[in-house]
Amino acid sequence: NAGVTQTPKFQVLKTGQSMTLQCAQDMNHNSMYWYRQDPGMGLRLIYYSASEGTTDKGEVPNGYNVSRLNKREFSLRLESAAPSQTSVYFCASSEVLAGEQYFGPGTRLTVT
Amino acid sequence: GQSLEQPSEVTAVEGAIVQINCTYQTSGFYGLSWYQQHDGGAPTFLSYNALDGLEETGRFSSFLSRSDSYGYLLLQELQMKDSASYFCAVIEGGKLIFGQGTELSVKP
Repeated sequence: NAGVTQTPKFQVLKTGQSMTLQCAQDMNHNSMYWYRQDPGMGLRLIYYSASEGTTDKGEVPNGYNVSRLNKREFSLRLESAAPSQTSVYFCASSEVLAGEQYFGPGTRLTVT
Repeated sequence: GQSLEQPSEVTAVEGAIVQINCTYQTSGFYGLSWYQQHDGGAPTFLSYNALDGLEETGRFSSFLSRSDSYGYLLLQELQMKDSASYFCAVIEGGKLIFGQGTELSVKP
């Protein structure tokens, strides 16, 4: 039981490049979330998926797209990376109650 | 909109008790959660309060007063490994909104 897994762990991109961050959970959770965390800050919600087949914007969705591929997988895509997107990205999942979420180890992204 | 306020830093000594407060403003409230995050690590769930009162889980307790829009996390018998950032978060519209976090330093 791996919980929530994320790939890659680290990534360096040049401005304008694109990439997809992958997230998978094996807890059979309905809801999945993508957050970003900047130094010394709390987590800000980018997008979430309350259930398979649905996605909704969070607080900071601009510059990102998501796909809920199936119940297990939720990917985050940066179409044209910008230095302002340098951050640590966390994926999380929850069964029903949004208050109890389980987080992946994070992806540390640097955009130069 | 919503906002949460918690102290940015708290320092305490090993074996002591520390309380981290959180006040919130939100248009629709369903519950208050607490998460712990060690440096370089992922947030981990500590507790959730939907109703007023105290919830206890081992050395950690969490309290909620919905009428005061206020909650706290109480850590007892502090250990060095409790040095971490602690985040309160409110549930609104099926998603969590996080505070800025409180960095707890435990000194020997």
